[in-house]
Amino acid sequence: SQTIHQWPATLVQPVGSPLSLECTVEGTSNPNLYWYRQAAGRGLQLLFYSVGIGQISSEVPQNLSASRPQDRQFILSSKKLLLSDSGFYLCAWSPLPGRRTYNEQFFGPGTRLTVL
Amino acid sequence: AQKITQTQPGMFVQEKEAVTLDCTYDTSDPSYGLFWYKQPSSGEMIFLIYQGSYDQQNATEGRYSLNFQKARKSANLVISASQLGDSAMYFCAMRELRDDKIIFGKGTRLHILP
Repeated sequence: SQTIHQWPATLVQPVGSPLSLECTVEGTSNPNLYWYRQAAGRGLQLLFYSVGIGQISSEVPQNLSASRPQDRQFILSSKKLLLSDSGFYLCAWSPLPGRRTYNEQFFGPGTRLTVL
Repeated sequence: AQKITQTQPGMFVQEKEAVTLDCTYDTSDPSYGLFWYKQPSSGEMIFLIYQGSYDQQNATEGRYSLNFQKARKSANLVISASQLGDSAMYFCAMRELRDDKIIFGKGTRLHILP
């Protein structure tokens, strides 16, 4: 069965510090991968998505970046965090078109980031 | 432009009543999918139901059904016989097949009253 991992679960970082959040998927191959951010009590904002290794699409210009060094690994990074980067970060994966379970998107447990 | 619109930021409903959560969408892609998710206070995202743009029938999953009105670009979630455990944030989302990204609405916070 497929599993999606995210770490760390919670993180408190000072303004200006770097960030690296990792997401890995098990039990599937060639997934589409997504990073979302949810501000407190708000909706999910799509930050990045990837349809393959090294292929990253950015939805919102900001000080964050994403990388996909391996098929089932998706990393969200920042060189210098801002206060506005605080939020709940969710990683998700989805099967490719044509797969039987294409009609689903599976989420990780999330990382709660607080920038002070 | 907003692609997914959920016009109800919050709703209060009596237990055992049916609930309709509104969602409208905007796309020029003829091939798309619509999702509903539930997010309890724990933060996890729970997939509820999916409707494909070419599906002839409205999707149903247990107490959840999706009222899909394609011409009106509407995909409302209906929860029958609401329960206290249904209290949560509910998100509507859309996937356009041309680029495969999935975007979400701002959500509706549902409160079920005993």
